[in-house]
Amino acid sequence: DTGVSQDPRHKITKRGQNVTFRCDPISEHNRLYWYRQTLGQGPEFLTYFQNEAQLEKSRLLSDRFSAERPKGSFSTLEIQRTEQGDSAMYLCASSLDGSGRLTQYFGPGTRLLVL
Amino acid sequence: AQTVTQSQPEMSVQEAETVTLSCTYDTSENNYYLFWYKQPPSRQMILVIRQEAYKQQNATENRFSVNFQKAAKSFSLKISDSQLGDTAMYFCAFMTDSGTYKYIFGTGTRLKVLA
Repeated sequence: DTGVSQDPRHKITKRGQNVTFRCDPISEHNRLYWYRQTLGQGPEFLTYFQNEAQLEKSRLLSDRFSAERPKGSFSTLEIQRTEQGDSAMYLCASSLDGSGRLTQYFGPGTRLLVL
Repeated sequence: AQTVTQSQPEMSVQEAETVTLSCTYDTSENNYYLFWYKQPPSRQMILVIRQEAYKQQNATENRFSVNFQKAAKSFSLKISDSQLGDTAMYFCAFMTDSGTYKYIFGTGTRLKVLA
């Protein structure tokens, strides 16, 4: 069990550029979550996958954001036409079904800075 | 909608002393779960302790214990015999017992343990 991994750990981009983040959940975890954490705030829910199906999206997830989880394994979060307000830490978490759904395991996050 | 409030942005405690972090929440749900997560500097979030709302007994995990007051919608974390490694951001989180089982986090309390 290598834990949840995220790549890259840091990303600096210019306003208007597209960025993509990757999350590799713990193997056999079929539930996957994306959260966004801005400075001085707690993480806020963005979206949820059950296997490959995206079952919930927060209204924080504007049309510029898209997430996928092909084959129910790793997930990607893409932000198109980045804005300075997108600067944040993007956290991925995974969990099991059943009683395991109560505990999410978090990755180290991808810190995005939009200049 | 559920909300979680942590009214103490920062706290400090001397090593070996006891400290209590406060959390209040608002919900109309009857079945839910409450959590405390720890986020050490530059490291990923890890679960500290979990409380099921249907359980009257307060959860305990080694030096960590909670005071769960369901009627008052209060959920505080007590850390006994504080250690330098307890220095971290602590987030209180809420989860309903339905739907996607996503977390709703408070804004966090930054705890510093002093030598």
